[in-house]
Amino acid sequence: QVQLVESGGGVVQPGRSLRLSCAASGFTFSTYGMHWVRQTPGKGLEWVTIISYDGSSKYYADSVKGRFTISRDNSKNTLYLQMNSLRVEDTAMYYCARGGYGDNVLDDWGQGTLVTVSS
Amino acid sequence: QSALTQPASVSGSPGQSLTMSCTGTSSDVGGYNYVSWYQQHPGKAPKLMIYDVSNRPSGVSNRFSGSKSGNTASLTISGLQTEDEADYYCASYTSTTTFLVFGGGTKLTVL
Repeated sequence: QVQLVESGGGVVQPGRSLRLSCAASGFTFSTYGMHWVRQTPGKGLEWVTIISYDGSSKYYADSVKGRFTISRDNSKNTLYLQMNSLRVEDTAMYYCARGGYGDNVLDDWGQGTLVTVSS
Repeated sequence: QSALTQPASVSGSPGQSLTMSCTGTSSDVGGYNYVSWYQQHPGKAPKLMIYDVSNRPSGVSNRFSGSKSGNTASLTISGLQTEDEADYYCASYTSTTTFLVFGGGTKLTVL
């Protein structure tokens, strides 16, 4: 079965960097687009970024553009999110999700990793 | 980018049918048949319930159905059950500078 396991979250000071990882298994990772979605505690979902199956196309939410970078290593079945210049408002649970039924459909989700930006 | 507009809360009784809305613009909901719906129980990851406006993934109950008219998409749940109580989010592909946009979410209470 599809499994997505995020890691790399933690507490970080404003302005610092953090890299999240998402280990995928149970499907052919290299044939699916992948997303990161975040959720501030007690609030709604916010789409963050997508990377195409081969890494050639990437899109970002305006709120993270220029600060976050999505990447993938298909040989390791792993998705990454490099987060630079972190802000307090980046505090959230970060989920990775698979783009099944088309890149715009998030058909499987990980359990999330919590990022807290605080001084 | 602006989130899609969803009512903050809806409620219904067991056995009833209920419809919740998701309003966007011609750049997202109205322009493409790429609306999806997600169910999220407290402390859990979201779960895909409907994709491409009205398609159900395998394993999702046929009590859940989706539709769209103009810039507004809708999720209908028939025969409400207590386990349907959750937050529901719509999402749509968008032709703006980003790619995907979520609604603010609707909290469903089954009384």
